[in-house]
Amino acid sequence: NAGVTQTPKFRVLKTGQSMTLLCAQDMNHEYMYWYRQDPGMGLRLIHYSVGEGTTAKGEVPDGYNVSRLKKQNFLLGLESAAPSQTSVYFCASMGQGNQPQHFGDGTRLSIL
Amino acid sequence: TQLLEQSPQFLSIQEGENLTVYCNSSSVFSSLQWYRQEPGEGPVLLVTVVTGGEVKKLKRLTFQFGDARKDSSLHITAAQPGDTGLYLCAGEDYQLIWGAGTKLIIKP
Repeated sequence: NAGVTQTPKFRVLKTGQSMTLLCAQDMNHEYMYWYRQDPGMGLRLIHYSVGEGTTAKGEVPDGYNVSRLKKQNFLLGLESAAPSQTSVYFCASMGQGNQPQHFGDGTRLSIL
Repeated sequence: TQLLEQSPQFLSIQEGENLTVYCNSSSVFSSLQWYRQEPGEGPVLLVTVVTGGEVKKLKRLTFQFGDARKDSSLHITAAQPGDTGLYLCAGEDYQLIWGAGTKLIIKP
């Protein structure tokens, strides 16, 4: 009964370091999303994917890259981390039609 | 840019009281979703409203979609500590537009 799994759950980085956040879903969903959540600002869409091999920019894509090489996985990369990227990152997936988004439990990322 | 404004941002009330949370926009949405998020977890869908004027009930929670499909409300009757959480609304256009959330605390 996994649903959407995000790894890692917590990470502390130094400015300039790089890292990749992994999202895996076992529901055979076509659509996958990466959000960041900051206090008082709700969820902001970083990048999304409408299917394997495709990605698109969301509201706040700068400083992030993504890849969807396999349908079940959606990777979010930070090439050179900045303190402004300190946030909680959520991955979500969604099936076709009028379906809800299913979220992982988030990755809490701190950039020092 | 489409915006969804939620009010209040924060609400702390005693167990047993009633409350209403609002989600407003100047844009029309094809549907509106309400989610609840608990600390350390991702949001979980509570309900989707689709038709203007639609009312849906989920136990003590009543959700209403405005006639013009620009706004929505969530009313909780006799709130309980288990209702504590962050309530998020999201309007569906070609993608979801999220409100900033209402942080609700129900004190025993």
